[in-house]
Amino acid sequence: EAGVTQFPSHSVIEKGQTVTLRCDPISGHDNLYWYRRVMGKEIKFLLHFVKESKQDESGMPNNRFLAERTGGTYSTLKVQPAELEDSGVYFCASSRYSGARPGELFFGEGSRLTVL
Amino acid sequence: KQEVTQIPAALSVPEGENLVLNCSFTDSAIYNLQWFRQDPGKGLTSLLLIQSSQREQTSGRLNASLDKSSGRSTLYIAASQPGDSATYLCAAETGANNLFFGTGTRLTVIP
Repeated sequence: EAGVTQFPSHSVIEKGQTVTLRCDPISGHDNLYWYRRVMGKEIKFLLHFVKESKQDESGMPNNRFLAERTGGTYSTLKVQPAELEDSGVYFCASSRYSGARPGELFFGEGSRLTVL
Repeated sequence: KQEVTQIPAALSVPEGENLVLNCSFTDSAIYNLQWFRQDPGKGLTSLLLIQSSQREQTSGRLNASLDKSSGRSTLYIAASQPGDSATYLCAAETGANNLFFGTGTRLTVIP
């Protein structure tokens, strides 16, 4: 069974440019999460999809970030325009939907974003 | 707001030693607590998940305990090996259905 895959593994862009990160969850996992770790800080929640619906986007830092999960499969996280403080590692995670509790999370290897 | 703290930030031990990693959280109203391992440049691998109704979980040489009332969890690693070298993260899941992570403990096991 393939794990959570993320693309690209590393992206270097200039301030003001746009970047789109992609996450393919484990097949059959309805829950998909985005997390972010900026330098020296803890990993923080960004948002949560259940299938194609945004369940919770309270962690999204501002309206320069847009997440989508069309069809309830893979998800994209777009940053437009990117700012220096957006640099960090963006992790995606997925889990099965089992009643009211999502169960164990499986993480991807992360997409490192460097904004110059 | 939930805050998770891990102490120490870094730890070096000789091979074969038993060790304990600490995790504390401010809000005891959690659904579960999860321990992860992260190798450099890699994603997070789930090690143990303790439900709020449980006191501990064991997997091989790893044992995690949970004391909700005191807001503490520990990860015990027995007979450490160089392959255990990694960053260990704990995360508390709240009713908001997301995880609050600590900043991690970077473990180095010296051969």
